[in-house]
Amino acid sequence: TQLLEQSPQFLSIQEGENLTVYCNSSSVFSSLQWYRQEPGEGPVLLVTVVTGGEVKKLKRLTFQFGDARKDSSLHITAAQTGDTGLYLCAGAQGSGNTGKLIFGQGTTLQVKP
Amino acid sequence: DTGVSQDPRHKITKRGQNVTFRCDPISEHNRLYWYRQTLGQGPEFLTYFQNEAQLEKSRLLSDRFSAERPKGSFSTLEIQRTEQGDSAMYLCASSPRRGNQETQYFGPGTRLLVL
Repeated sequence: TQLLEQSPQFLSIQEGENLTVYCNSSSVFSSLQWYRQEPGEGPVLLVTVVTGGEVKKLKRLTFQFGDARKDSSLHITAAQTGDTGLYLCAGAQGSGNTGKLIFGQGTTLQVKP
Repeated sequence: DTGVSQDPRHKITKRGQNVTFRCDPISEHNRLYWYRQTLGQGPEFLTYFQNEAQLEKSRLLSDRFSAERPKGSFSTLEIQRTEQGDSAMYLCASSPRRGNQETQYFGPGTRLLVL
């Protein structure tokens, strides 16, 4: 069974601080996606990373895919209260398969003013 | 592009009743997925369609669950004889499939509460 372990599970920080969320697996994924989810809503796609070692930036968010495509990280610089939410990483199994996503259990981020 | 839509957004039912949820994917997306998410967890895969064909079902999908996508557009997920353990958020996602990149776009979900 493929598993994605996210850490930390909960994070409470002050506005303006930096943080990093980690997503680790013993399995190789063809791509990895990060989502943000608000209570009572569906996950909203932030980014997809495909190539080992790839780094993508989305404003204050930096996403990295590990060289072996088994792990990923999300770094937020100068967090804002609007960053509060549940962050989910999800790995896809690769071409020729269904493409179903394996999700981590999520990291709940609270940014306090 | 209106995104993935789901209906209803909320459903409260009594144990033993049947419920049906609908998902309208992004137009021209040929892949459609159903996931279930319980409180404090990430979504778990239930089933997958490519066009109208249901190509994979999770072991989580007991025989009380059935999903259809008759014309390769919208999909329905029916739960028969609901149980309290079926209470969860049911999420639908669609994907256009491009090469190795399996980017999925999610709907807002249907939150089911079984009393």
